[in-house]
Amino acid sequence: GENVEQHPSTLSVQEGDSAVIKCTYSDSASNYFPWYKQELGKRPQLIIDIRSNVGEKKDQRIAVTLNKTAKHFSLHITETQPEDSAVYFCAAEVSGAGSYQLTFGKGTKLSVIP
Amino acid sequence: EAQVTQNPRYLITVTGKKLTVTCSQNMNHEYMSWYRQDPGLGLRQIYYSMNVEVTDKGDVPEGYKVSRKEKRNFPLILESPSPNQTSLYFCASSFFGGMTDTQYFGPGTRLTVL
Repeated sequence: GENVEQHPSTLSVQEGDSAVIKCTYSDSASNYFPWYKQELGKRPQLIIDIRSNVGEKKDQRIAVTLNKTAKHFSLHITETQPEDSAVYFCAAEVSGAGSYQLTFGKGTKLSVIP
Repeated sequence: EAQVTQNPRYLITVTGKKLTVTCSQNMNHEYMSWYRQDPGLGLRQIYYSMNVEVTDKGDVPEGYKVSRKEKRNFPLILESPSPNQTSLYFCASSFFGGMTDTQYFGPGTRLTVL
């Protein structure tokens, strides 16, 4: 099955700096790559996603890039703020033939230091 | 209000005592899924369902059962719980797989098996 590796496991940045989280996946059939943010004690929430026919997507301070050849994708957060502190999960989905299986990375705990 | 609900939110039980965690969504979603979240392991998919009476195994299905008799409900059943099933469980739903729509997560159920 699919295997998703996520790095780093923890990341500390100064407020205003950028943060980058990287993920690699193993199954070349994966075609959908969402990113979830989970604040302490809360449920995961989708923050951005990218589909396999797109190389980059931006939403305000958040961007995701995808390199299908290398099988890796990254989350970029610019101008970080204390409220960005959370655990971030990447995921890869293999879909087709009536099946959709989503595999998550192990998560990155981001701390933004005021 | 569109939402995914889970019950109970917290449960402490003993080894071998059958239990059911309910999940319900009011968004008319086709796709529903169960995940478990453990420290350092991220979110792992247990089972998912594409539609009524259609279920498939995820990455960690051992020791769990599910059923999808109605579109809105997707209960998770532990026939004989064991301590290694102590975890935080999330139910999620979307119209189809992630390629088509965002997955919405329930609030989580924290299960302790003694």
